[in-house]
Amino acid sequence: DADVTQTPRNRITKTGKRIMLECSQTKGHDRMYWYRQDPGLGLRLIYYSFDVKDINKGEISDGYSVSRQAQAKFSLSLESAIPNQTALYFCATSDSGQGFGAFFGQGTRLTVV
Amino acid sequence: QQQVKQSPQSLIVQKGGISIINCAYENTAFDYFPWYQQFPGKGPALLIAIRPDVSEKKEGRFTISFNKSAKQFSLHIMDSQPGDSATYFCAASAGNTGKLIFGQGTTLQVKP
Repeated sequence: DADVTQTPRNRITKTGKRIMLECSQTKGHDRMYWYRQDPGLGLRLIYYSFDVKDINKGEISDGYSVSRQAQAKFSLSLESAIPNQTALYFCATSDSGQGFGAFFGQGTRLTVV
Repeated sequence: QQQVKQSPQSLIVQKGGISIINCAYENTAFDYFPWYQQFPGKGPALLIAIRPDVSEKKEGRFTISFNKSAKQFSLHIMDSQPGDSATYFCAASAGNTGKLIFGQGTTLQVKP
């Protein structure tokens, strides 16, 4: 079983629709992140959370919101999806006490039409 | 503004050759420099990482060279194999945040 699980793996949605991407982890890490990958741009940080009560904006948070429901669960929402949010989305985790290596999920490919 | 610049965008190497990918950064507060490997349909996986107090780190066929004064670091893949064909990302992080700033990525193809 994957340590960091993202659902769904693929999603096609219409402009203006609300959509939620979910992430769960079994690594016991306290920190969780959402990144977006676009060709030629690498990965960019959307939001991050150091614990259940700590939520922080990343470099491209506009149009997105997040919820940390538990230490192991971190969801990303697009309140009103737009076509330029079409991208590959990754959830990642890290452990504040064991260095900075981040572990990534397998990604969610989102298409907004 | 791209804080971490990576080159080349794509690279083709013959089996057994050396693959070299370069990255440059601006923020002198960065203190952790990892490289990630990504295969199609998969998430990035941590390959090797270095801190600025050393100039080189080697793990098997993979070596990071770090030049603090030039604010550059590079990944060298020795004896490149077809199984190394993937996209490679350099990244940087500052302080104990775990927040990563990624380069644009390099698609490596190793020809048999």
